Order: sequence, then C-alpha cells, then structure tokens
Amino acid sequence: QAVLTQPSSLSASLGASASLTCTLRSGINVDTYRIYWYQQKPGSPPQYLLRYRSGSDKQQGSGVPSRFSGSKDASANAGILLISGLQSEDEADYYCMIWHSGAWVFGGGSKLTVL
Amino acid sequence: QVQLQESGPGLVKPSETLSLTCTVSGGSIIGYYGNWIRQPPGKGLEWIGYIYYSGSTNYNPSLKSRVAISADTSRDQFSLKLSSVTAADTAVYYCASGYNWDEFDSWGQGLLVTVSS
Repeated sequence: QAVLTQPSSLSASLGASASLTCTLRSGINVDTYRIYWYQQKPGSPPQYLLRYRSGSDKQQGSGVPSRFSGSKDASANAGILLISGLQSEDEADYYCMIWHSGAWVFGGGSKLTVL
Repeated sequence: QVQLQESGPGLVKPSETLSLTCTVSGGSIIGYYGNWIRQPPGKGLEWIGYIYYSGSTNYNPSLKSRVAISADTSRDQFSLKLSSVTAADTAVYYCASGYNWDEFDSWGQGLLVTVSS
C-alpha cells in the first residue's frame, strides 16, 4: 500500500470549491506530519503551494493566493487541499508530500479539471 | 529568487551512469539545499535526494545504492550521478532548491533523460 494515496482525478465547476485529499497509509498518523502541496501544469515544473500541519503550524507559499488552503481530516487520516473560487488556471495536477522514514514521499497526484 | 537550469545528456545507455548538473544563477548556493526529483513520462514525482551546500546528503532509500549528489560552491552547481541505469530510470529530472531543508522554492525547467541503447 502506498504511503500517500490521492484520487487520480476530480472535477469541479468554475467558481466552486474543490477539496483534494491525500490519505496516509494505515499506521501513519496524519496528526504528526506536515503535509506539503504542489501544483504542476503541463510542461512545467511543480510549484510549491503551501504546507499544513495544524492551525498554528502552516505556511503559504510566496505569492500563492489565499483561496488555496490546507487542513486535515483526522477521521480519514488525510490531508486536504481546499481551493475556493475555482478559476480556469487552477486546472492542473496536484501532489501532496510528506517527510517519512528519512525520505520525501509524494502522493501519486490528482488531476483537477475545472468545468 | 534564484534560477535553476539542469544540463546533461538526454540519452544514456543501459548500465551506464547518468550525470546531470544543476546551475544556479542569480545567487549563491551557499546556505541552500539542492534536491533532485524525477518524473517518468506521464507519471508522478519521485524524490531522489538532497545535498546541503556544505556537503551533507540524504538519499531516497530506494535509490541510495546508485545515487551520488555533490555540490560545487565555486560554480554554484549541484550535480547528480545515477549509476547502472535501466529503462525504468527514463524520466524528466528536476533540480529544486530552498533555504530550508523542507523548501522546494525554486525549480529548474527539467531535463528529459531517456535510457536506451
């Protein structure tokens, strides 16, 4: 079972909100991790969006709009990237990442389509 | 923010060593971490390893036996060597740097390396 699992794709409407999940493998407690989020558009390198561990331990990437935010769902053992007020330019692949067992581990990525 | 540019051969033969360089411009690598990340065509991201400018390194356990990352502060460069490559190592290779160990603030545009005879 992968360390981080992301849905391969999701879609949401222009102006709506999208919630992207990053589920940690059973036995790895999301509470103890900082979760990092990256956005990647076709033909471009990933760009850092934000990191989130808790309300008091979070960081927004430089220049990243506040409509991108992080949270956690402890009951699902998952990190969440919430994008509000979806714009067409938000259509991209999104990756989560954690530091686990001495290595950076990425989720498989979610492709967000803005309808 | 600094600019990063990967360079090296785009084609490497199986069993040979892949060697790439990441040149940093607009600043010095002193005080910075340099990471290498790769992405097979159409697939997700895989972290290869990082180096602190002073030389301390940390590698992905899955690649550790084949990887070496170095830093040259006189040239503001990070370098990657991956030995005994196979077709599975075909990927876009990115370098990324940050002032803190968990920051991938600046990225190169990436370099596609194909492993084929």
